[in-house]
Amino acid sequence: GQQLNQSPQSMFIQEGEDVSMNCTSSSIFNTWLWYKQDPGEGPVLLIALYKAGELTSNGRLTAQFGITRKDSFLNISASIPSDVGIYFCAGLDGANSKLTFGKGITLSVRP
Amino acid sequence: ETGVTQTPRHLVMGMTNKKSLKCEQHLGHNAMYWYKQSAKKPLELMFVYSLEERVENNSVPSRFSPECPNSSHLFLHLHTLQPEDSALYLCASSQVDGTEAFFGQGTRLTVV
Repeated sequence: GQQLNQSPQSMFIQEGEDVSMNCTSSSIFNTWLWYKQDPGEGPVLLIALYKAGELTSNGRLTAQFGITRKDSFLNISASIPSDVGIYFCAGLDGANSKLTFGKGITLSVRP
Repeated sequence: ETGVTQTPRHLVMGMTNKKSLKCEQHLGHNAMYWYKQSAKKPLELMFVYSLEERVENNSVPSRFSPECPNSSHLFLHLHTLQPEDSALYLCASSQVDGTEAFFGQGTRLTVV
């Protein structure tokens, strides 16, 4: 089946630093989504990308839809303690309209 | 009101109990989903309802029984669960094309 690869499993950064997370796949997707999940809560949609090459920002967050349609990245600039959480990528293909999720990256921000 | 609301937030049940999880969405969506989230695993899609009809059941054991009485409500009926069923159960909704799914806060289920 389709798989989305997110690594490393955990990232540790200092407050104020920028961080970039990648999501890769062997399959092509038509839509890429990035979610953040706080402890004990459900995932919250951060950014949605619909076209290859698209670059979209949401405050300090920037995400890009890879040109090959097999990858996406999420960048967080000037990190703050509340950026702590699990960041999931998700892809939607055109065939079965079903979201495929990555395993997520747990981000820790040291004050 | 939040977009997708799940109740209860926490549930502890014995293996012989019967309980139900509830999900309600106020986003005007016409597709609803149940996901299971276990530690260190990707989100597992359990059930999909599109226009109130079940369109997908990913080989989920029969001890989990979904119900979708209308496009705004989704239930997950639980009976004779096993300890390994302990997890965070997430409900989500979207439009039928499934482009953007919005999640509820989840129900943390513990089976003892």
